[in-house]
Amino acid sequence: EVQLVESGGGLVKPGGSLRLSCAASGFTFSDYSMNWVRQAPGKGLEWVSSISSSSAYIYYADSVKGRFTISRDNAKNSLFLQMDSLRAEDTAVYYCARDLLLLAALSGACDYWGQGTLVAVSS
Amino acid sequence: SYVLTQPPSVSVAPGQTARITCGGNNIGSKSVHWYQQKPGQAPVLVVYDDSDRPSGIPERLSGSNSGNTATLTISRVEDGDGADYYCQVWDNSSDHPGVFGTGTKVTVL
Repeated sequence: EVQLVESGGGLVKPGGSLRLSCAASGFTFSDYSMNWVRQAPGKGLEWVSSISSSSAYIYYADSVKGRFTISRDNAKNSLFLQMDSLRAEDTAVYYCARDLLLLAALSGACDYWGQGTLVAVSS
Repeated sequence: SYVLTQPPSVSVAPGQTARITCGGNNIGSKSVHWYQQKPGQAPVLVVYDDSDRPSGIPERLSGSNSGNTATLTISRVEDGDGADYYCQVWDNSSDHPGVFGTGTKVTVL
């Protein structure tokens, strides 16, 4: 069974940092690209960042570029999102999601999602 | 950046057909994915690459894409279809390729 479990969320002050983790199991992690998607309270989905299976291709939304860094450790079946210079508008549930395609370029289609971790940025 | 526009809400009676549109410039040239999200839950992929369904998704949900509009059609609507629906594209021509639509709340009357 495919499982994605996010952790690392919490309350942080503006300008602070957090590192989110996503532990993957039930599939060959190194074969799939991965994505981070967020959802502010009461709002829609927002794509944040994506990383290809070998980390060769990395993309960011304009709203987080230069502040967030996506990475992965295929040996540990883990995905990460380092979030620096956090702002109030970064407050959201952050989801880790697997890309649909096996051993291929990113498609953006996310076939498995974690339960999400809440990041709250407030003074 | 690429913008996807959806109607905020759609209302439909049980047994009828709901159509949710997703508008974008020349969206017909891109692959469109659709998600269903119920309150308090993670999104679920219901259609990918315009019209393909993941395993376990009923045939009542179908997708199409042409010109400037992609459409998710829910036939024979059931109470359980009430949810938020989001379209998404991966815009390979952009440095910021992941784009979600604004979302549509489907209410089953």
